[in-house]
Amino acid sequence: EVQLVESGGGLVKPGGSLRLSCAASGFTFSSYSMNWVRQAPGKGLEWVSSISSSSSYIYYADSVKGRFTISRDNAKNSLYLQMNSLRAEDTAVYYCARVGGSYLLAFDIWGQGTMVTVSS
Amino acid sequence: EIVMTQSPATLSVSPGERATLSCRASQSVSSNLAWYQQKPGQAPRLLIYGASTRATGIPARFSGSGSGTEFTLTISSLQSEDFAVYYCQQYNNRYTFGQGTKLEIK
Repeated sequence: EVQLVESGGGLVKPGGSLRLSCAASGFTFSSYSMNWVRQAPGKGLEWVSSISSSSSYIYYADSVKGRFTISRDNAKNSLYLQMNSLRAEDTAVYYCARVGGSYLLAFDIWGQGTMVTVSS
Repeated sequence: EIVMTQSPATLSVSPGERATLSCRASQSVSSNLAWYQQKPGQAPRLLIYGASTRATGIPARFSGSGSGTEFTLTISSLQSEDFAVYYCQQYNNRYTFGQGTKLEIK
C-alpha cells in the first residue's frame, strides 16, 4: 500500500524549533518529488515547500523562506522539514504530499498530517 | 504569485442534484490545475488533474473543465459522501491553492 506517515509535531514556544518527518512506503520514494503543505485550524491549504527527487531543486513559500528547510534521505525513504524561528502563525496541521509524476504533476498521495502548535 | 479564487465560498445543494464549483486564476495556468476534496479530520484527496483528468478511483460523476484562467468542477448527481470542502490548485508556477468551496447539504 502506498503510504505517507508524518511525525514530529507538537507544542513549541515562539522562536523555537521543530523537525517534522514523513516516512514513505509502498512506492519508489527516490523517483518522486515531495512537498509539505499546511493547514491552519479552520483555514485552507497552504503550500510550504517542495523538493525534487534528487534534492536538486528546492522551493519555499515566501512565508517560511529563511526559517524552514526541506530535505530528504532516499536511502531511508524519508522527507523532513526543519522549522526554526517558529511563530504563532505557523500553527497548523502539516501534511507531506507526493507529486504524482511526469504526467500527473498534482499531489496524488497525502499523509494524515501532524499538528504543530506554536504557543507560549 | 498566482492567486486562485474559488466561488462560491459555500454552496448548498440537495442530494441528487448537480453542483458546479468555479476557480479562477490571476494569470494563465494552462491546464495545470487540480481539484481536491477534503472531509473533516481527513487529508485532501486528489480528484482531478490536468484540469479534466480524473484521478484513479474517482467516480465518473466528478468532471473538470476549463483552461487558462477559468475552471469548473462539476458533480453531476450529488451523493451523501460528496458533501465536503473542495480546493483548486495551480501547479503551473510553484503551487497555490484556492481558499476552498464548502459544499453543504441543502
